[in-house]
Amino acid sequence: GQQVMQIPQYQHVQEGEDFTTYCNSSTTLSNIQWYKQRPGGHPVFLIQLVKSGEVKKQKRLTFQFGEAKKNSSLHITATQTTDVGTYFCAGPRPESGGSYIPTFGRGTSLIVHP
Amino acid sequence: GAVVSQHPSWVICKSGTSVKIECRSLDFQATTMFWYRQFPKQSLMLMATSNEGSKATYEQGVEKDKFLINHASLTLSTLTVTSAHPEDSSFYICSATSQGANYGYTFGSGTRLTVV
Repeated sequence: GQQVMQIPQYQHVQEGEDFTTYCNSSTTLSNIQWYKQRPGGHPVFLIQLVKSGEVKKQKRLTFQFGEAKKNSSLHITATQTTDVGTYFCAGPRPESGGSYIPTFGRGTSLIVHP
Repeated sequence: GAVVSQHPSWVICKSGTSVKIECRSLDFQATTMFWYRQFPKQSLMLMATSNEGSKATYEQGVEKDKFLINHASLTLSTLTVTSAHPEDSSFYICSATSQGANYGYTFGSGTRLTVV
């Protein structure tokens, strides 16, 4: 079945440095979603990418979907302490048919040092 | 925005007892809800898909007799951990979508279960 791999598992940065997390799928994805989970909290939906090569921005966050729709990335420019958390990508399970059953990557935990 | 309310936030129970966790969609109807389990510093592991008015669909390796799911209404799904044991201690979290999967899933705040 489909696996969504995400790297790195952890990333320590100094405040102000950039951060990138990568998500790779073994199969072509119809779309990919990104979530953020703060320490002790629950995942919060950030964005969905659908089109091949799509790039979307949310302030300092830039999301990309690969041309082959098998990989995606989230880049944060000039990290702040409020960016601390675990970022997950999620893709639909191929065999879910008409329903969307999300498969989550392992997540990348971002630690920002002031 | 869409809100999913999950209760309790945390619970401590004795081995052998059962614990019920509730997940409510407050301002929308959810025909489908997902139940996840999350171990510390790990990803979300899908346990089952809860469907309103029908039996839940469990993931491979998840014991349906141990993790009872009921989705009796369009706004409420419950997960009951029966005969809990220390290895069942974990963070359980539900999710649903209000506008369709393409608009993302809203998660409950999660329930931290500790079995002693």
